[in-house]
Amino acid sequence: GEDVEQSLFLSVREGDSSVINCTYTDSSSTYLYWYKQEPGAGLQLLTYIFSNMDMKQDQRLTVLLNKKDKHLSLRIADTQTGDSAIYFCAESMRGSTLGRLYFGRGTQLTVWP
Amino acid sequence: DAGITQSPRYKITETGRQVTLMCHQTWSHSYMFWYRQDLGHGLRLIYYSAAADITDKGEVPDGYVVSRSKTENFPLTLESATRSQTSVYFCASSESAPNANSPLHFGNGTRLTVT
Repeated sequence: GEDVEQSLFLSVREGDSSVINCTYTDSSSTYLYWYKQEPGAGLQLLTYIFSNMDMKQDQRLTVLLNKKDKHLSLRIADTQTGDSAIYFCAESMRGSTLGRLYFGRGTQLTVWP
Repeated sequence: DAGITQSPRYKITETGRQVTLMCHQTWSHSYMFWYRQDLGHGLRLIYYSAAADITDKGEVPDGYVVSRSKTENFPLTLESATRSQTSVYFCASSESAPNANSPLHFGNGTRLTVT
């Protein structure tokens, strides 16, 4: 249950909304995360959602979780050029003493002015 | 500066050589991790450590050795580098086992090329 899948590329115009999708396989996931990686840098935690929630909003970010379909999405409203980065979806499993994270391959978001 | 730092940022080495990547964190976080990032694979866990003198294997440990004699340092050694170990290596730390209240903090990475 460690497969986390994401599309690899997304391009949007500045000011539009971006939606980045992720599917996961393990129904026992406790937390699902979105990380952002800017060029030449490490990953930074952007937001997360607990598995008993359907939606979480944090300023321009909206996370939607569909547990039935094991589908997670990240919507960025009013996308800016500074949002251009790679976005990683990650899940952690219930019962793991480490709380180990499994990462998707990342979605490269390009924002055109 | 406080945080997590990796060195070197870039390294080129030859096949068969030993190379050590350094990671240092100033938060006294218990947990530390080494990941490698490759095109088509995302991030894969190499080794992790729950505390000083406690280490364990991740998904892809073969060819790597780690040690954690001090809480703040977690060096990763490639004993005999191979071309397949050409990658970007990320060190990360967390206060306790990673969760929403104890998120992973990543270093800026080391880009290693094995020729």
